[in-house]
Amino acid sequence: GEDVEQSLFLSVREGDSSVINCTYTDSSSTYLYWYKQEPGAGLQLLTYIFSNMDMKQDQRLTVLLNKKDKHLSLRIADTQTGDSAIYFCAEIPPTSGTYKYIFGTGTRLKVLA
Amino acid sequence: SAVISQKPSRDICQRGTSLTIQCQVDSQVTMMFWYRQQPGQSLTLIATANQGSEATYESGFVIDKFPISRPNLTFSTLTVSNMSPEDSSIYLCSVSQGGDTEAFFGQGTRLTVV
Repeated sequence: GEDVEQSLFLSVREGDSSVINCTYTDSSSTYLYWYKQEPGAGLQLLTYIFSNMDMKQDQRLTVLLNKKDKHLSLRIADTQTGDSAIYFCAEIPPTSGTYKYIFGTGTRLKVLA
Repeated sequence: SAVISQKPSRDICQRGTSLTIQCQVDSQVTMMFWYRQQPGQSLTLIATANQGSEATYESGFVIDKFPISRPNLTFSTLTVSNMSPEDSSIYLCSVSQGGDTEAFFGQGTRLTVV
């Protein structure tokens, strides 16, 4: 498909792990990204993974990449109320001919105290 | 990194009028983009702002409706012309150094058209 797809909502309890999934479009994208958008703010880069890696860990964040299925996931360990935000996966498909980000539909994470 | 100042942060406008949104970056950047984010939805790229030449518009967006200027490497404006309630949205300025580099975003302009 043409869209980068994500589930729309995720609700977890504080202290649990959150897993946000994404299906992207272009297997030749060099990097895959996760951006976070807090209420009333722009997007901030959270983490990214190089396409020749299967996994990347950065403190509480773990990114898993399955290139064959074009599937990306973000795991947040010990989720905190401050993690409540919208999370966007993104790619820059080189086959598009221009270096433009394509963002997913966004997953709204709600962390319950 | 890049720090982006986007103004105004919000506005309520009458239909038929126009609003110009400013994006000022604290350093020179290669690429500047304008996105629209409708309530509860993802970001849709409106156009790439090109320094000293006409912006490159995405499918569904035209210069007459969304004129863009980029006089230098640190500043751009987006005008939403002849507004209707359907233009109510958040408009975001984004910058990068091109290629696969990180994109930085302004805080957005929340536009309501009544």
